[in-house]
Amino acid sequence: NAGVTQTPKFRVLKTGQSMTLLCAQDMNHEYMYWYRQDPGMGLRLIHYSVGEGTTAKGEVPDGYNVSRLKKQNFLLGLESAAPSQTSVYFCASSTPGRWEEDEQYFGPGTRLTVT
Amino acid sequence: GDSVTQMEGPVTLSEEAFLTINCTYTATGYPSLFWYVQYPGEGLQLLLKATKADDKGSNKGFEATYRKETTSFHLEKGSVQVSDSAVYFCALRPGAQKLVFGQGTRLTINP
Repeated sequence: NAGVTQTPKFRVLKTGQSMTLLCAQDMNHEYMYWYRQDPGMGLRLIHYSVGEGTTAKGEVPDGYNVSRLKKQNFLLGLESAAPSQTSVYFCASSTPGRWEEDEQYFGPGTRLTVT
Repeated sequence: GDSVTQMEGPVTLSEEAFLTINCTYTATGYPSLFWYVQYPGEGLQLLLKATKADDKGSNKGFEATYRKETTSFHLEKGSVQVSDSAVYFCALRPGAQKLVFGQGTRLTINP
């Protein structure tokens, strides 16, 4: 099993450009998440999905859109990139169970720089 | 709101030293508490967890006890190894689909 994979690993964008980050998981997990990690701030939840065809906003959703057309994939889109979106992006997945205990499985991250 | 505060890094120790990474939290209700570890070039992975007060989570020689009275979940290891060099994240789960992370602590172990 590959677990959670993310594409691309690195990307540099100019302000105003758009791009899509792809997250794929092969563990048949229902839940998927997108986080961003900024220096000194830990990980913050952008959007999440509790199943195919569903998405919901997290803590910092502005400037991002997501789609979950297939259970195994969760896409994060930036329509018009801004320097404030320079960050490391992590995707995660989990299986619904007792939410107090369930473990999230993380991808290796995508480092995005917006100039 | 819910938040997690970790001791600031980076932390540098010699091999076989005793490790403590402090973590305190603010939350309403009774959150679950987690420690995640990120090795260089990899994603985060769960190290240990505790779901109620006084629970002790343990894994790979690491331990942390859920202390409700001090709202803490400090990570400890009696004798660290070079292979423990990584970034450690404390996190709390106040409800379904929500995981709140601390800022991370970078640990370097020198041989």
